[in-house]
Amino acid sequence: GESVGLHLPTLSVQEGDNSIINCAYSNSASDYFIWYKQESGKGPQFIIDIRSNMDKRQGQRVTVLLNKTVKHLSLQIAATQPGDSAVYFCAENGSGNTGKLIFGQGTTLQVKP
Amino acid sequence: GAVVSQHPSRVICKSGTSVKIECRSLDFQATTMFWYRQFPKKSLMLMATSNEGSKATYEQGVEKDKFLINHASLTLSTLTVTSAHPEDSSFYICSASDETQYFGPGTRLLVL
Repeated sequence: GESVGLHLPTLSVQEGDNSIINCAYSNSASDYFIWYKQESGKGPQFIIDIRSNMDKRQGQRVTVLLNKTVKHLSLQIAATQPGDSAVYFCAENGSGNTGKLIFGQGTTLQVKP
Repeated sequence: GAVVSQHPSRVICKSGTSVKIECRSLDFQATTMFWYRQFPKKSLMLMATSNEGSKATYEQGVEKDKFLINHASLTLSTLTVTSAHPEDSSFYICSASDETQYFGPGTRLLVL
């Protein structure tokens, strides 16, 4: 069945270091991917998205990489700050044009001062 | 990014009562909104897709008579939890889509 998962449930990094959060997806028909950040008690916040016709997209301090060959998505955060501590979810649009998203299980990013 | 609001942010109710949660897209028109439920330390579980002017589409296992959804305008969708029971206690989150889904801040429901 369709599923989106993340390799590590928790990632701990030192403040100032770069963070890499990984995600594996199983539906080869997915052509749109999004990373969300969710802080405790709040709704998910859009970070960055990428379409399948690209393999890299950069934002402010964040980069998303897409490897369609191995169905792998990653989020890189440069110079990680304490405010980056949150749960990060990847999501894919799956097959069909429903607008629905399939979410991964989430990775908790802990930033050590 | 687009702004989506939810009201109330948290609600406590007695078992057997009904609770209405509002979801509004503040700066864009959303023909489609989604309702999710999230348990502690878990991912988001899609409950239903709400389409403006038509009936909602519910995911498998979600009771449509239990969770009533109304999408009366392009900026407002409501979720009513009818005859709430303690097992309905959860974090309910909506999203509005203009291709990308933007999420509301969530509503914490506690049923006593």
